[in-house]
Amino acid sequence: EPEVTQTPSHQVTQMGQEVILRCVPISNHLYFYWYRQILGQKVEFLVSFYNNEISEKSEIFDDQFSVERPDGSNFTLKIRSTKLEDSAMYFCASSYSPSNTEAFFGQGTRLTVV
Amino acid sequence: AQTVTQSQPEMSVQEAETVTLSCTYDTSESDYYLFWYKQPPSRQMILVIRQEAYKQQNATENRFSVNFQKAAKSFSLKISDSQLGDAAMYFCALILGNYGQNFVFGPGTRLSVLP
Repeated sequence: EPEVTQTPSHQVTQMGQEVILRCVPISNHLYFYWYRQILGQKVEFLVSFYNNEISEKSEIFDDQFSVERPDGSNFTLKIRSTKLEDSAMYFCASSYSPSNTEAFFGQGTRLTVV
Repeated sequence: AQTVTQSQPEMSVQEAETVTLSCTYDTSESDYYLFWYKQPPSRQMILVIRQEAYKQQNATENRFSVNFQKAAKSFSLKISDSQLGDAAMYFCALILGNYGQNFVFGPGTRLSVLP
């Protein structure tokens, strides 16, 4: 069964450092998403991406965040200058249809900012 | 804006028994989809079951079934013959059927399964 793959599974970084979270969506999927879950809280939408540009982003997705699809297979989330409050589980998701009703989630990357 | 509410922060069930997790939602749209996701201690997000709002028939996946009450905007999950591996956080989620929409998740219900 196809799956969304995220690397690394756990990343520890120092406050102020840049971090890149990587995702390999399912190969024929066209729509890509990042969600975040702070420990003990609900899953929150960050950004959606289609046709090499951002379709929608939430208030959380400020200037320190960026996404790109550098090589047609990977989908990355970059956090430029990490803060302690960026510590969370980050989930990538992808779907083939624009309605996102068949979205598949990756296993998540646990980001710890120290 | 869409909202999803799960009023039970924690639930427990005896192994082999049945448990129902509650979810209510609010949207003014008519085209939407509802989901239950399971998040085990590994913190993966695993799709449990999906319901299209336009379908009156309740979705079923093996031991998992839903009670979809569209007029009441209620979408509860029933787990039959509970197993120890069912212990997890369960998130109810809604997404509109339009282009480019994102999931709106509820706060989750932590389910414990007692041996």
